[in-house]
Formats: sequence, C-alpha cells, structure tokens
Amino acid sequence: DQQVKQNSPSLSVQEGRISILNCDYTNSMFDYFLWYKKYPAEGPTFLISISSIKDKNEDGRFTVFLNKSAKHLSLHIVPSQPGDSAVYFCAGNSGGSNYKLTFGKGTLLTVNP
Amino acid sequence: NAGVTQTPKFQVLKTGQSMTLQCAQDMNHNSMYWYRQDPGMGLRLIYYSASEGTTDKGEVPNGYNVSRLNKREFSLRLESAAPSQTSVYFCASRSTGPPPQHFGDGTRLSIL
Repeated sequence: DQQVKQNSPSLSVQEGRISILNCDYTNSMFDYFLWYKKYPAEGPTFLISISSIKDKNEDGRFTVFLNKSAKHLSLHIVPSQPGDSAVYFCAGNSGGSNYKLTFGKGTLLTVNP
Repeated sequence: NAGVTQTPKFQVLKTGQSMTLQCAQDMNHNSMYWYRQDPGMGLRLIYYSASEGTTDKGEVPNGYNVSRLNKREFSLRLESAAPSQTSVYFCASRSTGPPPQHFGDGTRLSIL
C-alpha cells in the first residue's frame, strides 16, 4: 500500500521556466509534508515543508501547495535553474510527534540550460 | 560542522556475515532514524529512536537490530546478512518539534 505517490518518474524543464512536481497521498492522518532534494551519492537535503493546517508555504524560489480535499500537494520551483536538477522526494509524517516519514518514490527533475 | 556522519560509505558482505553500520550526529538532536533506499524506491524507515535510551520499529525492521549508544550515536546491525538487504542505508536525526530530519550521505551495502 503506497501511501505517498509521485506518479511522474521524471520531468524535464527549460532553465528559467517553472517546474511543478506533484505528489498524491492516501493517509488522511498525515499532519506534515516535506520535500527533499537528492543528488547522486548524497543524502536527501530538506527543501521545504508544510503543515496540514496550511495550504501554501513559500521559501524563495520554492512554493509548496497543499490541497487536502484532493489529498494532493505540489512543489513549484520558479525560476528553475540547472543546479535544481536532482531527484525530489515528497514525504508525509505519520508518526505524530515521532515524525516517522513515509516517502514517495521520487521524481527526477532535469533543468536544461 | 559535520552534521550526520555515516561509516562506512561502502561495504561488500557475503551472505551470512554480520555488520554494524555506524551513525553519529553533532547537532545535539534527540531523535535519530535509519532508512533504506532500494533502486526506484523511496526511503523506507527501518528503526528510529525518539530519544536516548529508546528505540522502536519502523516499516521494515526484520533482519535488523539497533542500538542508541548515547545521544550522538545510533547504530544499525545486520546479524546475518541476506542479498535482499543490499541497499543504500541512510541515517537521519531531528531536533524536538516538527521536521525536518537531517540525513547523512549513506552507506552503500552490497551482499553477495
């Protein structure tokens, strides 16, 4: 049972344009969502998060939108840069105060110069 | 500031051998986690430690044991390695309150 789904394995975008990465979830008990970025041979790096009581959180070029009724969240990167090329993981917190994360399979973003 | 340090970075084992993966964090975090990542998959939680002296199972604990040695260190042990445990193992830590978890760079483990 895959509780966090990233249905697009890959996405290719031109430099300067918007990148939109999508994530769907099935567990209504998730109370926090996070996006991580991962480069090859490195650990995941935290990017941005959003509480389930909010519908938007913005940090510089990164914005996360949460639609609880649709159980859907998205990460917008504007403008996209070649250095943004990485695998992006969506994760939901199912562990209450223990913050046990459930991850999606990831989306490989390629930003072309 | 090293953050989360994992050792070793690479290891090859034979089936049946035992191995301990080490993890240390220097951020004075209370909670620590072990995940595994298989090709084309997201990270899956093996074990976690909410605070020093406590450990609990995650999604895929079978075949593993953990020890929270002190606040800084959280080790993962494979008592009898199996090829199905070939994976990249990530350790993470978190302070109190909401996420995020901070990850190490992983241990790439191959079991032949």
